Amino acid sequence: AQTVTQSQPEMSVQEAETVTLSCTYDTSESDYYLFWYKQPPSRQMILVIRQEAYKQQNATENRFSVNFQKAAKSFSLKISDSQLGDAAMYFCAYRSYRETSGSRLTFGEGTQLTVNP
Amino acid sequence: NAGVTQTPKFRILKIGQSMTLQCTQDMNHNYMYWYRQDPGMGLKLIYYSVGAGITDKGEVPNGYNVSRSTTEDFPLRLELAAPSQTSVYFCASSSLRRALSSYNEQFFGPGTRLTVL
Repeated sequence: AQTVTQSQPEMSVQEAETVTLSCTYDTSESDYYLFWYKQPPSRQMILVIRQEAYKQQNATENRFSVNFQKAAKSFSLKISDSQLGDAAMYFCAYRSYRETSGSRLTFGEGTQLTVNP
Repeated sequence: NAGVTQTPKFRILKIGQSMTLQCTQDMNHNYMYWYRQDPGMGLKLIYYSVGAGITDKGEVPNGYNVSRSTTEDFPLRLELAAPSQTSVYFCASSSLRRALSSYNEQFFGPGTRLTVL
């Protein structure tokens, strides 16, 4: 079974600064997806960014980028130019590339990000 | 297009009571999922379905039942509510991945906050 670990329960950053959230995972599969989800106080789950394991290039979405280290099984999220609206719980998630069990997600415990003005 | 809808938004149950959490999606998705999120934790998969008439257990299925008689609906049943089932419940859905090179995003509902006293 796959596991996802987020070792930082809480992080804080000053507005306009950069912050990096950490995630490690364990799997015996060679092909998979990794995701970062944002959950604001509204509880809505919002997909921030995804990475396909077969792609060596790190994914980027505007101010959000990842550092994907497949050999180390590490998948960190960098938020540049942090904004007050980035304050939320962030979850790292894993999904197998195979569809034998649907497209089920395995989540980490989450990191609560505070953005200070 | 309403996406994934869940009812009710909030519910308080007494120990031993039963209830059904409703989930409906209007995107004609084959896959549907139920997750629970305990306070300060990530989401854990309860049950999932890969199509009408087909369901399977996730990580934490004990105390729950599901059915999938139509593509649109995936209700979650709690038979004998216990305090350990106090949680926020999320329903999600995704389409089949049509080709290896394509990607099928998982869409989440707004969640149901359940308290068992």
